Amino acid sequence: LAKTTQPISMDSYEGQEVNITCSHNNIATNDYITWYQQFPSQGPRFIIQGYKTKVTNEVASLFIPADRKSSTLSLPRVSLSDTAVYYCLAFGGYQKVTFGTGTKLQVIP
Amino acid sequence: NAGVTQTPKFQVLKTGQSMTLQCAQDMNHNSMYWYRQDPGMGLRLIYYSASEGTTDKGEVPNGYNVSRLNKREFSLRLESAAPSQTSVYFCASSEYPSGKDTQYFGPGTRLTVL
Repeated sequence: LAKTTQPISMDSYEGQEVNITCSHNNIATNDYITWYQQFPSQGPRFIIQGYKTKVTNEVASLFIPADRKSSTLSLPRVSLSDTAVYYCLAFGGYQKVTFGTGTKLQVIP
Repeated sequence: NAGVTQTPKFQVLKTGQSMTLQCAQDMNHNSMYWYRQDPGMGLRLIYYSASEGTTDKGEVPNGYNVSRLNKREFSLRLESAAPSQTSVYFCASSEYPSGKDTQYFGPGTRLTVL
């Protein structure tokens, strides 16, 4: 299981693009990189997943360099409703998945 | 399509009491998971089940038992509750190994042990 490191917290103004970087130096060949979002008193919600290069969906983009030792979640034009905790995971298959403490994003009006 | 459902939503127990947390999913997923989340912390895996009839320990299994009743249901039992088990419990499911291990979570059970 690849250990991930991400900033504890970030602040951003509404309408800005937010990039949250996650480090996973010991990522294994079959590990995918997955990001989840969690609002208070709710379970985590899947945002995006990728293996390499760039993945984009309706809510976010995920950039993964060729060495896969890090990844960046990009949230375009954040709004107040994007205030949440964001978790980065790197794993594949049945592993003792640990979410860590995540990055607490605070969007400021 | 309800996704992952959990019951109860809230529970207060006294030390030494027992209870079972119920979880069900309607997505025909193979794998199911139980996590706990303490205040200000990330989620920690308690147990997981790769398929009906199989279970395996996660990071923090002590004090818990699980049962994969069928493909839909995965229950978590506290035999003798302790204050250290006060937490929010989340159940999740994924289609792994049929697909990627993208986990879908229930709304959680907030448990307080006095």
